[in-house]
This record gives sequence, C-alpha cells and structure tokens, in this order.
Amino acid sequence: EAGVVQSPRYKIIEKKQPVAFWCNPISGHNTLYWYRQNLGQGPELLIRYENEEAVDDSQLPKDRFSAERLKGVDSTLKIQPAELGDSAVYLCASTTRGQGVTGELFFGEGSRLTVL
Amino acid sequence: DQQVKQNSPSLSVQEGRISILNCDYTNSMFDYFLWYKKYPAEGPTFLISISSIKDKNEDGRFTVFLNKSAKHLSLHIVPSQPGDSAVYFCAASGAGYNFNKFYFGSGTKLNVKP
Repeated sequence: EAGVVQSPRYKIIEKKQPVAFWCNPISGHNTLYWYRQNLGQGPELLIRYENEEAVDDSQLPKDRFSAERLKGVDSTLKIQPAELGDSAVYLCASTTRGQGVTGELFFGEGSRLTVL
Repeated sequence: DQQVKQNSPSLSVQEGRISILNCDYTNSMFDYFLWYKKYPAEGPTFLISISSIKDKNEDGRFTVFLNKSAKHLSLHIVPSQPGDSAVYFCAASGAGYNFNKFYFGSGTKLNVKP
C-alpha cells in the first residue's frame, strides 16, 4: 500500500513569492490534514478535511493561505505571498474513520519551505 | 494554548537501559493518545497508542502508560537501542465529532548511546 505522497520535498523561494504544496493521501482515507511544523516544535494543525469539506480551518491564516481538496482525494496548500515566518515543514497526513479504533494518522515525508 | 506538553526537549540514555519519555495534557476530554517517532527529513511514523479506558498498552519493547487523574502519559522503551534515537511526539485526540482532531506535543529528542 502506497503511503501519503507529498511534493515538492524542498522549496526555496524569496519572500512575497507564491508557493504550492501537493498531497496525495492513502487510498480510501477520507480525512486529510495539513500540519505545519516549525523547528523544535510539534506539528500544528492548519486545516482538516473530511472528504472534500474543510471541517476545521481555524488555524489557517486565511489572508495568505488557501487549500483545496477537489473530489475528496488530492489536496493542495498554497501560500501567497510567502513571508519569512512561513519557513517550516508542511506535513500532510491522512486517516480513515473505518480503521478500527486505532485512528492513527499516516504522515507524508513533508515539504520543507525556506523563505529568503 | 498548548494542550499537550512535553517538558523535556531531550533525553540521553545508554544502550540496553530504559528510556522514559513523558507527556502531560490539560484537556480532560482527550480519550485517545498516541506516540509518534520522527527521524530527520522524514515524516512522523506511528509507534503506539492507548485509549483512555486502559492504563497500559504494550507492543514489544514499547509500553505506554496512562494516568488519567494526573493527565499524564509516558512511553517506556526497554531495552533502548541506538536505532531508537529520534524525536518522539505524543499526541491526543478527543471524543465526539472532533475525535479525528489531533494535538501534538513539542517533542523529545532521544539519543541512545552505544
């Protein structure tokens, strides 16, 4: 079974430039998450999708961040314009409610963003 | 507000000895707890979990203990191996509609010395 796939793995941009990250969750996983992880900290939720519906985006800085999950499968996270403080690792994760009671998240390898 | 806390940023242990990683939480509605392990340049990988109806769950060398009254959980690794050197995150989720919402601690970097 393929895991959560993210791209790009690394991205270096100058501030004020746009950037986009893509995530393909594990097949059949209806819940998808975008987390941001700053250096030395744990993952912080940006947005959570149940199928194609964003059910929790309270932590998403909506003035510059946007996300979509068309057809309830792949998802894209966009930042426009990027700021220096956006430098972080952006993690995508997925899970399925039908997975017994374990409910663990499966993470991708992350996309490391550096804003210069 | 940080609802899940790992107060020890790092831990160093000799190979073969026990590693104990600690985690505290503030939200009494949390009913499911997990530990994740993260190597550099990789995403976190699931290690072990525990439901609030239990106080202990064991999987090979890894045991998680839950003390609900103290809102505290710990991960025991016995015996520790150099390959266990990684950052460990604890996470928690609540009941009801938000049972798929996970809160993470800041992580503890474990170094197992040969």
